[in-house]
Amino acid sequence: QSALTQPASVSGSPGQSITISCSGTSSDVGASNYVSWYQQRPGKAPKLIIYDVTNRPSGVSNRFSGSKSGNTASLTISGLQAEDEADYFCSSYTTTVTLDVLFGGGTKLTVL
Amino acid sequence: QVQLQESGPRLVKPSETLSLTCTVSGYSISSGYYWGWIRQLPGKGLEWIGMIYHSGSTYYNPSLKSRVTISLYTSKNQFSLRLSSLTAADAALYYCARLDILGPFDIWGQGTVVTVSS
Repeated sequence: QSALTQPASVSGSPGQSITISCSGTSSDVGASNYVSWYQQRPGKAPKLIIYDVTNRPSGVSNRFSGSKSGNTASLTISGLQAEDEADYFCSSYTTTVTLDVLFGGGTKLTVL
Repeated sequence: QVQLQESGPRLVKPSETLSLTCTVSGYSISSGYYWGWIRQLPGKGLEWIGMIYHSGSTYYNPSLKSRVTISLYTSKNQFSLRLSSLTAADAALYYCARLDILGPFDIWGQGTVVTVSS
């Protein structure tokens, strides 16, 4: 099983919106409603920001939103802020029988 | 407030076995949830290692399955990771985390760096 594919880096200016893609296959992202996104700031553990494709945990800003189309999931951050600069990882289950977990390679977001 | 904390040796010799423990506070691991291990290779993405259900059922990454054992120690409210036949490629930041069935990893430990060197 291969890791999910994410762009290595994206950038945007404060106030803008950016989207990070997470490409998989019909055996993982395409077959799963259990796609998650994590934010990782330098020296910190990953923090859950989106689960089940579109849901936000309590306390996560509504500037973060998730979606999915076919085999590709996306994370959109609107109204970019300096504090959003971090690495972002997506995750999906492969099949519900084996419960294998895949992560994306990560995307470095730079706020210009 | 549920918290997870990894512990174990930071330096392991090649071919030896890595043993890490995750201590959970604020929740009894025998009550529910899955408890998992994830690692982050230097400068790279995350890799799922495996997880254990509160009942004891285990699920492992197929690429690591032959070398991994995850166990529960409910009396100590801990779970552990054993990874055998270590090579330099296993040097990484190792995290323990909690997840629900088909759910995300919602609570993470702070991570522990493991170096593989003689």
